[in-house]
Amino acid sequence: GDSVTQMEGPVTLSEEAFLTINCTYTATGYPSLFWYVQYPGEGLQLLLKATKADDKGSNKGFEATYRKETTSFHLEKGSVQVSDSAVYFCALIRFNSGNEKLTFGTGTRLTIIP
Amino acid sequence: SQTIHQWPATLVQPVGSPLSLECTVEGTSNPNLYWYRQAAGRGLQLLFYSVGIGQISSEVPQNLSASRPQDRQFILSSKKLLLSDSGFYLCAWSVQGWGQYFGPGTRLTVT
Repeated sequence: GDSVTQMEGPVTLSEEAFLTINCTYTATGYPSLFWYVQYPGEGLQLLLKATKADDKGSNKGFEATYRKETTSFHLEKGSVQVSDSAVYFCALIRFNSGNEKLTFGTGTRLTIIP
Repeated sequence: SQTIHQWPATLVQPVGSPLSLECTVEGTSNPNLYWYRQAAGRGLQLLFYSVGIGQISSEVPQNLSASRPQDRQFILSSKKLLLSDSGFYLCAWSVQGWGQYFGPGTRLTVT
């Protein structure tokens, strides 16, 4: 079945540091890939997405590139802020599978210290 | 634009009491709807999804049930809550090809 593997957290960085959160997936066919962010006490927000190989999703300074050859969708940001502290979830959907159920990774907790 | 509402935001209920959580979506028609549960410090577990009125698919056996009485309304229920039902319940909607969009969640504590 489909699966998503994220790097184990928690991740703690200083403000203005470079961020990478690794995400790899296993799925047949051509999934669409997503990053969601969850701020404390809130629901999940769609951060960015990519629907085909070599697509780059970007939003709020975050980027992720759909790499089919390495089955990866790593999240990056060049200079993190305290306000980026949250839990980040990588996820996939195979839209031709007859449903739209998301397969989530376990989440990576990110803490940015001033 | 589309918005999704959940209520209540927080709920404390005793073991054995009933439960009803409501989710409504505005600004879209015939969405797919989903209920997830997130236990403390853990990932998301899909509980139910619905592709239309009265159509409910259950992902895990449990003492919870779901109903979709209207196109944009999704209800999560239980007749008798267990301690293990505590968690953060999230509703989400999707229209094919665009991913899922989540509500603000309901934090349920069963005492």
